[in-house]
Amino acid sequence: SAVISQKPSRDICQRGTSLTIQCQVDSQVTMMFWYRQQPGQSLTLIATANQGSEATYESGFVIDKFPISRPNLTFSTLTVSNMSPEDSSIYLCSVLDGYNTGELFFGEGSRLTVL
Amino acid sequence: KQEVTQIPAALSVPEGENLVLNCSFTDSAIYNLQWFRQDPGKGLTSLLLIQSSQREQTSGRLNASLDKSSGRSTLYIAASQPGDSATYLCAVSNFGNEKLTFGTGTRLTIIP
Repeated sequence: SAVISQKPSRDICQRGTSLTIQCQVDSQVTMMFWYRQQPGQSLTLIATANQGSEATYESGFVIDKFPISRPNLTFSTLTVSNMSPEDSSIYLCSVLDGYNTGELFFGEGSRLTVL
Repeated sequence: KQEVTQIPAALSVPEGENLVLNCSFTDSAIYNLQWFRQDPGKGLTSLLLIQSSQREQTSGRLNASLDKSSGRSTLYIAASQPGDSATYLCAVSNFGNEKLTFGTGTRLTIIP
């Protein structure tokens, strides 16, 4: 199984600022995803991070608010821009197993609190 | 649109008991179903993956079953321990779509 590292693990941010979350995988993976988990809620997919091209965003999420980079097959970043208290969530990076089993693995998450 | 439901939302059982967590989904054309565990404020740990062609998977004290025709999966935990306390999430993916649809989870508390 892939080992996924996320940084920061948690942060407290001021309204109006932006924060970039990093996701590093210990092996090359084709599919990387970013999820959001709001307090007391289940996970919602933000976007699929595509290597070498623009991310594919789900309904309700836009690039201006959540710009994503994927410079290679082991690394991705998610930026939460112009934050408001409603952005307080756990943000999770995930990758699809490279052996085509369809198994999804997650990082430890980045817990953001916006004041 | 796939919808995934987990009932109950919370469950408390004494240590040592066997228990069953339930997951139901509306679209039976699934590619696979995955059970995860999430500790408070943490990421998700994959527990079991069941492919659409399989009926069950086992790992240690955990056994997951899949009945596609009825749109149901169960996670059976044998001889529960306090360390099993966590939120358990099920998620399904449909054919032609790598994205997972998550249930809302069952928060399990094992009482010592």
